[in-house]
Amino acid sequence: GAGVSQSPSNKVTEKGKDVELRCDPISGHTALYWYRQSLGQGLEFLIYFQGNSAPDKSGLPSDRFSAERTGGSVSTLTIQRTQQEDSAVYLCASSPATGPNSPLHFGNGTRLTVT
Amino acid sequence: AQSVTQPDIHITVSEGASLELRCNYSYGATPYLFWYVQSPGQGLQLLLKYFSGDTLVQGIKGFEAEFKRSQSSFNLRKPSVHWSDAAEYFCAVGARVLTGGGNKLTFGTGTQLKVEL
Repeated sequence: GAGVSQSPSNKVTEKGKDVELRCDPISGHTALYWYRQSLGQGLEFLIYFQGNSAPDKSGLPSDRFSAERTGGSVSTLTIQRTQQEDSAVYLCASSPATGPNSPLHFGNGTRLTVT
Repeated sequence: AQSVTQPDIHITVSEGASLELRCNYSYGATPYLFWYVQSPGQGLQLLLKYFSGDTLVQGIKGFEAEFKRSQSSFNLRKPSVHWSDAAEYFCAVGARVLTGGGNKLTFGTGTQLKVEL
């Protein structure tokens, strides 16, 4: 079946511009996560959505970062006034349930380059 | 807070040789442990996971990992490496700590595996 879909696959933007990254989770998956993968570093948790509950935003690095999930499905990660240090691969993952027994299914990511 | 250490940034092995990738974790309770693999330009694919029970777990693509509580380790092994195994491997520890019961995975920095033919 279809996996997690992310768009665009690559995005180049100028410093100071806003960007939107999109994630289509696997159909029926209630949990959705955003992670950031910077060069030479591991994956950094950003934000988590579960159903209609308030999201866990504890990983967002600054108030320039925000995300929403409409209708419990598609999610958009928005970065305002982009900085060069925002350059990274942004990975979205979904899961059919909460808890450690339900592994994450990752998309191929969006590679963001801020010039 | 949980943390994961993968001490080897790069490893090179010959095709057909055995492989062991190291992972050490820090977590206050019984950990939920995972190994993921990432090929270039791809997302992460789950290789295997450990929650409880038998400490030797089998995964896809012929991989296995052994949980050793006394050493806080969860090393990944494969008896005979294939050229297609060249990729980046990430160890992760999970904890149900997010609002709404979500599973927050903390990843290591990864080990890049190169396979020589």
